[in-house]
Amino acid sequence: AQTVTQSQPEMSVQEAETVTLSCTYDTSESNYYLFWYKQPPSRQMILVIRQEAYKQQNATENRFSVNFQKAAKSFSLKISDSQLGDTAMYFCAFMGTNQAGTALIFGKGTTLSVSS
Amino acid sequence: DGGITQSPKYLFRKEGQNVTLSCEQNLNHDAMYWYRQDPGQGLRLIYYSQIVNDFQKGDIAEGYSVSREKKESFPLTVTSAQKNPTAFYLCASSISRASTEAFFGQGTRLTVV
Repeated sequence: AQTVTQSQPEMSVQEAETVTLSCTYDTSESNYYLFWYKQPPSRQMILVIRQEAYKQQNATENRFSVNFQKAAKSFSLKISDSQLGDTAMYFCAFMGTNQAGTALIFGKGTTLSVSS
Repeated sequence: DGGITQSPKYLFRKEGQNVTLSCEQNLNHDAMYWYRQDPGQGLRLIYYSQIVNDFQKGDIAEGYSVSREKKESFPLTVTSAQKNPTAFYLCASSISRASTEAFFGQGTRLTVV
């Protein structure tokens, strides 16, 4: 069974600084998708960035980028130039493609606080 | 506007009563999911459905039931067998099981008293 592990329950950073959130996963599949979702205090889940495992290039969306290490099964999120609006819980998620009935599996989340 | 709608936003029930949470989507998505969120636990999968009239148990299905009679709707019933039902429940949908993105509703906060 696939598992997703986020080892940092809480992190804090100052505005304009860079922060990296860690995520590791375990799977026997060769192709899959990885995601980072953001959940602000409103509790609405927002997709931040996604990565397809067969693509070697790391995904980037504006200030958000990932460091995808397939062999190490690691998928970290880097937030550059942190803003107060980045304060939220961040979830790493995995979705396989080879098995019938695969669902989106989440880690336990990292609460990020950005202060001025 | 296309989207996924959960209702109600807040729900209170007495212990021992069954309660049904609504989830409707007009995105024409095949796959739908129910998650439970507790503090420090992340999102845990309760049930999911890849097509109409078919669904599979997730990691914490005990005490819950679902139906998928229409593509647009995936209601979740929290039964009296669920030992600790007070939680935040999130419904999601995606185009297919290998979709690049899941879309989420705004959630239902269930409190059992």
